[in-house]
This record gives sequence, structure tokens and C-alpha cells, in this order.
Amino acid sequence: NAGVTQTPKFQVLKTGQSMTLQCAQDMNHEYMSWYRQDPGMGLRLIHYSVGAGITDQGEVPNGYNVSRSTTEDFPLRLLSAAPSQTSVYFCASSPDSPNEQFFGPGTRLTVL
Amino acid sequence: RKEVEQDPGPFNVPEGATVAFNCTYSNSASQSFFWYRQDCRKEPKLLMSVYSSGNEDGRFTAQLNRASQYISLLIRDSKLSDSATYLCVVDNAGNMLTFGGGTRLMVKP
Repeated sequence: NAGVTQTPKFQVLKTGQSMTLQCAQDMNHEYMSWYRQDPGMGLRLIHYSVGAGITDQGEVPNGYNVSRSTTEDFPLRLLSAAPSQTSVYFCASSPDSPNEQFFGPGTRLTVL
Repeated sequence: RKEVEQDPGPFNVPEGATVAFNCTYSNSASQSFFWYRQDCRKEPKLLMSVYSSGNEDGRFTAQLNRASQYISLLIRDSKLSDSATYLCVVDNAGNMLTFGGGTRLMVKP
């Protein structure tokens, strides 16, 4: 099993550009989530999904969209990138609840 | 007040030492508690869940004190490889987890 995979590993955007961060898992997990990690802030939940077709907002959802058309994939879209979105983004999954999540390797995003 | 608070450290300890971290949480309805480990520039990985009765996994012991709303992690016989950031994680009584800012541990030879 590949576990949780994320692409790209690194990305530089200009203010106002849009892009999609990809996340996939091959463990047939129902619960998937996106976090951002900033220095001194800990991980903060952006969006999460409890199953295909179901998504909900986390603590810091503004500026981000998600969709969950399949169990495996949970892409995160930045609508119009801002410097405040410079961060490390982690995708995670777990069998059926947020407990005991497996994390992907992360995407380091810089917005100029 | 942050929902989950940790001393950021760093805790600098010699090999073989015993070190303990505490974490306080604000949501009295929280039911699930975890410690994750994060190495520099890597993803967090689950270290252990924390049960009401406490639990032990080798050199690691986790305790929960619901009355005072804190959890603890004790590491005995510290190894160089234990150097990492330890994240305290608490559920918010919904479908979300809240992460503390992490406590950095550096084990020296």
C-alpha cells in the first residue's frame, strides 16, 4: 500500500493564481482531511470528509474548496492564492472517524 | 485561551534521561486523546492513543487526567532517535481533532 500520497511536494504561486493540491489514499478509508501547519500555530483543520460525496468545513476553510467524488481522492483547491496561504499542507485519512489518522508527506506552498 | 496548549520547549535532555510533557485542553466534552510524533520537515505520525486508564508502550507512558483536563507523556531511557516534536491531539466532541502547537525534544549524547 502506498498509504496517503500528496502532489506536488513543492509549489510556488503568484498572488491571485489558483491551483489544486492532490491527495489520494489506497486504504479504503472513509475519513479524510486537510490541515495547514504554520510555525508556532500547530496543525489547523481546513476541510474534512466523512465519506464520498460528503464534505464539511474545519477551523480555517476560507479561501479553499474541496470535493470528494471517490473514496480514494480528496483534492484541495485554492481559489485565488494569497501570501497568507503560504504554509505546509497535510492531507490525512483514517478508517471511519478522525481518530488515529495517517498523514501524507505534505505539500510546501509559497505564495509570492 | 488555546483549545490545546503545550509548552513548546525545547526540552534538552541527555541520553538515558526520563522526560515528561504535559498538555492541557479546554473542551471538557472531549473523549479521544492522542500523542503524535513529528520529525523535522516530515508528516506527523501517531505515537499512541491515550486511554482513561492510562497506557504504556515500551518506554512511553501516557496518562489522562479528566478532572484537571490534561494529558501527559512520559519517555523513559531517552534515545537520540526520540528527538522530535511531540504533538498533543484532542477531539472536539465532533468530527474534528485539535492539535497543540507541539513540544520539541532534543536528546543529546
